[in-house]
Amino acid sequence: AQSVTQLGSHVSVSEGALVLLRCNYSSSVPPYLFWYVQYPNQGLQLLLKYTSAATLVKGINGFEAEFKKSETSFHLTKPSAHMSDAAEYFCAVSDDTGRRALTFGSGTRLQVQP
Amino acid sequence: GAGVSQSPSNKVTEKGKDVELRCDPISGHTALYWYRQSLGQGLEFLIYFQGNSAPDKSGLPSDRFSAERTGGSVSTLTIQRTQQEDSAVYLCASSLSGAGNTEAFFGQGTRLTVV
Repeated sequence: AQSVTQLGSHVSVSEGALVLLRCNYSSSVPPYLFWYVQYPNQGLQLLLKYTSAATLVKGINGFEAEFKKSETSFHLTKPSAHMSDAAEYFCAVSDDTGRRALTFGSGTRLQVQP
Repeated sequence: GAGVSQSPSNKVTEKGKDVELRCDPISGHTALYWYRQSLGQGLEFLIYFQGNSAPDKSGLPSDRFSAERTGGSVSTLTIQRTQQEDSAVYLCASSLSGAGNTEAFFGQGTRLTVV
């Protein structure tokens, strides 16, 4: 069975500060990992994904994430936060066995203070 | 279409009534998923369709929930005898294939309120 844990349901940063959103996964097979962003009253939009190629993955809007197998982590970072980054962020895992749907973490709401 | 389309965007229904939620996936996408997003439960998988294969219904919370996908395209999620705990945002997603590494594209969801 797969699972995802996102540490911190709410994260607040100042504009221009580093953004770090934490995600740890559990999977019995090599995982595929995703970060999605959800703006108010919108669906989910893919930020980036890890599919067993490069461990450092770059996504849209200046976000990146690093897959660390030894730590079972896939933390999301951005060097400098913008006001427009305020949203809810979801980490998700899937694989090619059994159910091929995404299993999501509980989400982290990012606030950006001016 | 350009993206995944869901209708209605909002639905208010009385407890005990049946509701139908519609999803129109991206043209050519063989995989279609329904998720439910509610406070306290996060994003829950409901059902998965892949091409002409039998759907994976393992996430449906009760037998009041059912879904079908006609002609490999449009999908309808039906909730019978709605209960207040069914209030949530129902999200549909589609992907080009059912492989675990392909991106799922999400619709904007249907917000269901059961009163």
